[in-house]
Amino acid sequence: ETGVTQTPRHLVMGMTNKKSLKCEQHLGHNAMYWYKQSAKKPLELMFVYNFKEQTENNSVPSRFSPECPNSSHLFLHLHTLQPEDSALYLCASSRGGGTRDTGELFFGEGSRLTVL
Amino acid sequence: QQQVKQSPQSLIVQKGGISIINCAYENTAFDYFPWYQQFPGKGPALLIAIRPDVSEKKEGRFTISFNKSAKQFSLHIMDSQPGDSATYFCAAGTGGGADGLTFGKGTHLIIQP
Repeated sequence: ETGVTQTPRHLVMGMTNKKSLKCEQHLGHNAMYWYKQSAKKPLELMFVYNFKEQTENNSVPSRFSPECPNSSHLFLHLHTLQPEDSALYLCASSRGGGTRDTGELFFGEGSRLTVL
Repeated sequence: QQQVKQSPQSLIVQKGGISIINCAYENTAFDYFPWYQQFPGKGPALLIAIRPDVSEKKEGRFTISFNKSAKQFSLHIMDSQPGDSATYFCAAGTGGGADGLTFGKGTHLIIQP
């Protein structure tokens, strides 16, 4: 148990569906992240939120839409995805806050997404 | 250049042997080098990390060796055990924060009993 919980663990959706991934952290952290993990590729940072404010968006297609209502919750809204978007989507948190950040990411177990 | 190059892609080591995974980087601004361990069905977890003011850091059976001039760092697992079988990712970042990490592609390590 890392203190970061992701739901659902598995999701199958068609290209015209709309779905959402949810992440919750119980660590009191101030920064939350979405990463994409594909086979034989580096972990790809998608979005970063610090104190609920989006601080990074790594040229992610608009069919992925993040939402961070508070420092403990993070969502990834999905719509009109492509088969190449099939991957493991990992949520992570860190202490955040600039120099107070220790640099350690705490990952959830991921949501395995399959786009048909 | 933000890339971190990791090798080998996969590695098989006999129980009790030494596992060595290497990473190289180009960006001289990197000043934080963590290694993450990921078991099947789990998210990555921080294993050990080093900053460039030291050339080596050891925690139990795990050691990071860092060569600043060569822009390379490596993970050594001594007395490798079957429970060490996992995927290992190196990463590099600046400023010590977690939001600027660049990850390698990962090494799938299998320790044979």
